[in-house]
Amino acid sequence: AQTVTQSQPEMSVQEAETVTLSCTYDTSESDYYLFWYKQPPSRQMILVIRQEAYKQQNATENRFSVNFQKAAKSFSLKISDSQLGDAAMYFCAYKRGADFGNEKLTFGTGTRLTIIP
Amino acid sequence: DVKVTQSSRYLVKRTGEKVFLECVQDMDHENMFWYRQDPGLGLRLIYFSYDVKMKEKGDIPEGYSVSREKKERFSLILESASTNQTSMYLCASSPLGHLNTEAFFGQGTRLTVV
Repeated sequence: AQTVTQSQPEMSVQEAETVTLSCTYDTSESDYYLFWYKQPPSRQMILVIRQEAYKQQNATENRFSVNFQKAAKSFSLKISDSQLGDAAMYFCAYKRGADFGNEKLTFGTGTRLTIIP
Repeated sequence: DVKVTQSSRYLVKRTGEKVFLECVQDMDHENMFWYRQDPGLGLRLIYFSYDVKMKEKGDIPEGYSVSREKKERFSLILESASTNQTSMYLCASSPLGHLNTEAFFGQGTRLTVV
């Protein structure tokens, strides 16, 4: 079974600084997808960024980027120019590729990010 | 605007009661999921379904059942609620076969069993 590990239960960063959240995963598959979700106090889970395992190029969405190291099974999230609205729980998630009827997400335990004004 | 709607944001039930948590999506998605969220444990999958009438056990199905009679609706049932089922419950949906598409979540139901 696949597992996803987030080793930082809590992180904090000064506003406008950069922070990196860690995520590692364990799988024997070569085809899979990785996601970072954000859960603010409103509880609404929102997709931050996604990465297809077959793509070598790291995904980027505005201030959010990932460092995807397939051999190391590592998928970290970098938030640049941190803003107060970035304060939230962040979850890393894994999805197997090409498994009809079994397209579930496996989540890590989350990292609570605090932004210091 | 796509939407996954859970019937209640907060629910308080008594031990032994049968509890129904309802989830409706308006995106015509085939996949639907029920997760449980607890501090320090992240999101754990209870049950999922990829078609009407179909259901698959997730990682923690004990004490729960589900029903999917219509494509847009996925219900989670606690047959006899217990205090250890006090938790946040999140419903999600995604389109079948679109693997790089994210799952869309409801706003969660915080269930307290007393």
